[in-house]
Amino acid sequence: QSVLTQPPSVSAAPGQKVTISCSGSSSNIGNNYVSWYQQLPGTAPKLLIYDNDKRPSGIPDRFSGSKSGTSATLGIAGLQTGDEADYYCGAWDSSLTTGLFVFGSGTKVSVL
Amino acid sequence: QVQLQESGPGLVKPSQTLSLTCTVSGGSINSGSHYWSWIRQPAGKGLEWIGRIYFSGSTNYNPSLKSRVTISVDTSKNQFSLKLTSMTAADTAVYYCARDKLGDVGVNWGQGTLVTVSS
Repeated sequence: QSVLTQPPSVSAAPGQKVTISCSGSSSNIGNNYVSWYQQLPGTAPKLLIYDNDKRPSGIPDRFSGSKSGTSATLGIAGLQTGDEADYYCGAWDSSLTTGLFVFGSGTKVSVL
Repeated sequence: QVQLQESGPGLVKPSQTLSLTCTVSGGSINSGSHYWSWIRQPAGKGLEWIGRIYFSGSTNYNPSLKSRVTISVDTSKNQFSLKLTSMTAADTAVYYCARDKLGDVGVNWGQGTLVTVSS
């Protein structure tokens, strides 16, 4: 059972926009930064968004991140077939005295 | 550009200890700006953070695995390692090493190595 909850799947036609939600609590998303990762089939995850809304160098601005309260959202605009992948959110959880990084349950994006 | 490469056995017997090494190239593991993490993913399932280490040897572990995990660093070889004891079938997974930038986990990832627990 993941601490961070994501929808199992989302889909849209090419060129459309999809959003993926990530729901947590005050001990994780509510008081810590959120990251997002893209995992293409058969490959290692790649960092897409860090510190809620920042994109690493080389990540297109079609990918966007936001956070409000204990939830975060990843947006993918201008959907392309190459965006078909699993997407995970992640955040530090401060509920224990020791640091724990938690991932979301993952969302599969399909391009119709 | 920094690259990470996991190495170790692909098959481990139940109750044995898994030992994996991550070799870092294109950057120094001594960098004060980075931590070094281990993350795993069972087939068809999500990601699980195992723990991480700073070049000084300071560590953080996932409480659910803490009693079985040791992460160490060898700055002379630019490597860090994972040991996981008392392996069971539930530990079968792809194991990734990653470079973190302070609080940002997984800025760079290795390609992953599949570890199967079976007799």
